[in-house]
Amino acid sequence: GEDVEQSLFLSVREGDSSVINCTYTDSSSTYLYWYKQEPGAGLQLLTYIFSNMDMKQDQRLTVLLNKKDKHLSLRIADTQTGDSAIYFCAEIGAGGYNKLIFGAGTRLAVHP
Amino acid sequence: NAGVTQTPKFQVLKTGQSMTLQCAQDMNHNSMYWYRQDPGMGLRLIYYSASEGTTDKGEVPNGYNVSRLNKREFSLRLESAAPSQTSVYFCASIYRDLNTEAFFGQGTRLTVV
Repeated sequence: GEDVEQSLFLSVREGDSSVINCTYTDSSSTYLYWYKQEPGAGLQLLTYIFSNMDMKQDQRLTVLLNKKDKHLSLRIADTQTGDSAIYFCAEIGAGGYNKLIFGAGTRLAVHP
Repeated sequence: NAGVTQTPKFQVLKTGQSMTLQCAQDMNHNSMYWYRQDPGMGLRLIYYSASEGTTDKGEVPNGYNVSRLNKREFSLRLESAAPSQTSVYFCASIYRDLNTEAFFGQGTRLTVV
């Protein structure tokens, strides 16, 4: 079945760039998403990319998609302490079943 | 627009009790989902409904049932709660086939003792 995998932890220094990686197995994925979850809160959409795109940039966020390798990454430039959170990668396939599958989440810790 | 509304926000059940988690969206979305979130395991799909009148199992359906009552509402029922069902539950909806995001409810924190 479909699977989405992420590394569980990432620690960066304030001001550096963060890169969070994700791999997925569903070759029919149409949309891929990055969500952010702060402690005790729900999920907030950060950005998404359509599968026919290679890159999308939105202010400090850059999403790269390598469809051949089924690899998605999220780069956060000039990482701030407010970026500390759990980041989830998710994908939805092209089939009629509309499954929206999430990875386990990457906990980003930003230290001074 | 309220978006996705989940009730209740918190619930404590005794083992063997039953309850229904309610979810409603007012965005005319066709697809709705129920997830559970456990530490270190991300969001796992319990059940989903691609469109009104259809429901399908996700990754962890055992112990749950769902009803897509109409286009707006998708409920999750625990017939006989077990401590292993202690979790945070999220409902989500999306308008499939459009370039859009999945909207989430605020979550239900359920404890089964």
